[in-house]
Amino acid sequence: ILNVEQSPQSLHVQEGDSTNFTCSFPSSNFYALHWYRWETAKSPEALFVMTLNGDEKKKGRISATLNTKEGYSYLYIKGSQPEDSATYLCAFRGGTALIFGKGTTLSVSS
Amino acid sequence: DTGVSQDPRHKITKRGQNVTFRCDPISEHNRLYWYRQTLGQGPEFLTYFQNEAQLEKSRLLSDRFSAERPKGSFSTLEIQRTEQGDSAMYLCASSLGTGSEKLFFGSGTQLSVL
Repeated sequence: ILNVEQSPQSLHVQEGDSTNFTCSFPSSNFYALHWYRWETAKSPEALFVMTLNGDEKKKGRISATLNTKEGYSYLYIKGSQPEDSATYLCAFRGGTALIFGKGTTLSVSS
Repeated sequence: DTGVSQDPRHKITKRGQNVTFRCDPISEHNRLYWYRQTLGQGPEFLTYFQNEAQLEKSRLLSDRFSAERPKGSFSTLEIQRTEQGDSAMYLCASSLGTGSEKLFFGSGTQLSVL
């Protein structure tokens, strides 16, 4: 069974703080690594899909990096805002199914 | 593009009853996925369709679960003889099917088995 681990499980920061989360995944049979944001009472929404070792993607204040050889990805949020409060899920694709981690729940206080 | 829609949003049933959920994917998407999510866990893969063909099914999935996607459009997920452990959020997602594309999720069906 493939294991996708995320840390920390939850995080509470103040508005303006920068933060980062970790996702670790199997380093063999890699096809893609996804990041999703899941806000309460909404659907999970894709942030990034990364496929190449060394990939770096950015969307506004959020960015992600990928290391497929060692099997990890980082998600960074610069200058956190209350609207960034959500659960951030990473997902590994080694075949057809996308295997999700348990997520990191971020809470940003104003 | 009206997004992925799921029906119903909530379902309460008694143990032993059968339930069926429906998912309507984005119209041009040929891949459709079903996931289940319980409190404190990430979405757990259940099954996947490419058009009308069910190509993969989780080995952890009980025989009480069955899914169909007739004509490669909407999909249904049926749970027979529900158990309390089936209580979860059931998520449907679709994608274009061109490779490493992102998934578009519906709002989910929250199932409570009493």
